[in-house]
Amino acid sequence: QKEVEQNSGPLSVPEGAIASLNCTYSDRGSQSFFWYRQYSGKSPELIMSIYSNGDKEDGRFTAQLNKASQYVSLLIRDSQPSDSATYLCAVQGSGYSTLTFGKGTMLLVSP
Amino acid sequence: KAGVTQTPRYLIKTRGQQVTLSCSPISGHRSVSWYQQTPGQGLQFLFEYFSETQRNKGNFPGRFSGRQFSNSRSEMNVSTLELGDSALYLCASGASGKGGEKLFFGSGTQLSVL
Repeated sequence: QKEVEQNSGPLSVPEGAIASLNCTYSDRGSQSFFWYRQYSGKSPELIMSIYSNGDKEDGRFTAQLNKASQYVSLLIRDSQPSDSATYLCAVQGSGYSTLTFGKGTMLLVSP
Repeated sequence: KAGVTQTPRYLIKTRGQQVTLSCSPISGHRSVSWYQQTPGQGLQFLFEYFSETQRNKGNFPGRFSGRQFSNSRSEMNVSTLELGDSALYLCASGASGKGGEKLFFGSGTQLSVL
């Protein structure tokens, strides 16, 4: 059974700091990796995707992938209170396989 | 471009009843996935439809079923409701590309079973 593990948190960081969110996955055949943000009472929103080893940057967000270690992370630079949300890691295998989600890490950014 | 539309937004049912949820994907998207979200279990995959065919199915009992129409709209049905079916049901519209299939979620249907 494919598993995606995340620390449930909450991860508390002060405004302006770097928030680091981590995710491990069990299926070595996983090909694509996604980070979703979910505000309380809202639906998940896609913020980053990555499928090659290394870093991918998009504004204040950087996704990092290490397939050998089966590890994916999300860095949020200059964290803002508006970044306070639950961050979901999702992993997809090859072909038409479905996305498997972790249970999410709650991030709290204090002013 | 309009996003994913789910109706209704809220539903209250009693045990034993059945319920039908509706989802309209983003225009041009042919894939629709359904997920159940609960505080304890997180997001759990129900099924995925592509061009009116069920392409993948999760580990849910047969009380949970779905279908997709020729216009890509999808419905999900739950029969003989149980208290444990109370959850947020999310529909996602899929866009395939080089980096895998990206899912775009609707606002969800919050189902309460009394």
